[in-house]
Amino acid sequence: DAGITQSPRHKVTETGTPVTLRCHQTENHRYMYWYRQDPGHGLRLIHYSYGVKDTDKGEVSDGYSVSRSKTEDFLLTLESATSSQTSVYFCATAPSTDTQYFGPGTRLTVL
Amino acid sequence: DQQVKQNSPSLSVQEGRISILNCDYTNSMFDYFLWYKKYPAEGPTFLISISSIKDKNEDGRFTVFLNKSAKHLSLHIVPSQPGDSAVYFCAATYGGSQGNLIFGKGTKLSVKP
Repeated sequence: DAGITQSPRHKVTETGTPVTLRCHQTENHRYMYWYRQDPGHGLRLIHYSYGVKDTDKGEVSDGYSVSRSKTEDFLLTLESATSSQTSVYFCATAPSTDTQYFGPGTRLTVL
Repeated sequence: DQQVKQNSPSLSVQEGRISILNCDYTNSMFDYFLWYKKYPAEGPTFLISISSIKDKNEDGRFTVFLNKSAKHLSLHIVPSQPGDSAVYFCAATYGGSQGNLIFGKGTKLSVKP
């Protein structure tokens, strides 16, 4: 709906390797969010951004970092991937602080 | 400590009947509530929302009811259709949280023909 794409859509990596997931939006939304979805946990917020170069931590931020150098791109980096970071990652964007629109997700497997 | 709870992991309903999905919350600061629908291998899709100043919001077949005193909201789908089969997430947020949504664990709805 909000012109949100995520890349890659699927990735398999090994423990200890760095991984970067990209979220790209074409709607010029100010707010961007990264969530992870795990069985039995719903969606949990990792990090969010309220403007270019303005980011903050969410509920489960340990082991993750983010960067936003342009309005349209929000990067999520796992500096050294662990098996506990195997998950489905969703990016979301919002024009204001109410309704968020989600991307299609990235399935990450850490072996 | 779960701030948003969906106590029914699954719900099965006959086509044409009403589906009622429930959600409870504990944080009295929440002032905006949303429902999302999610199909397998897709991202969540926004369905309907309600502000705490209202007790009901309707959009076609979907109605959300909010009972602030009970800290409870529900999503009614009438009539239910097989295409409504999906996982439904309840989410909540409050002013000053930068829009951070707190999600429930979801309820899987199955609508049988």
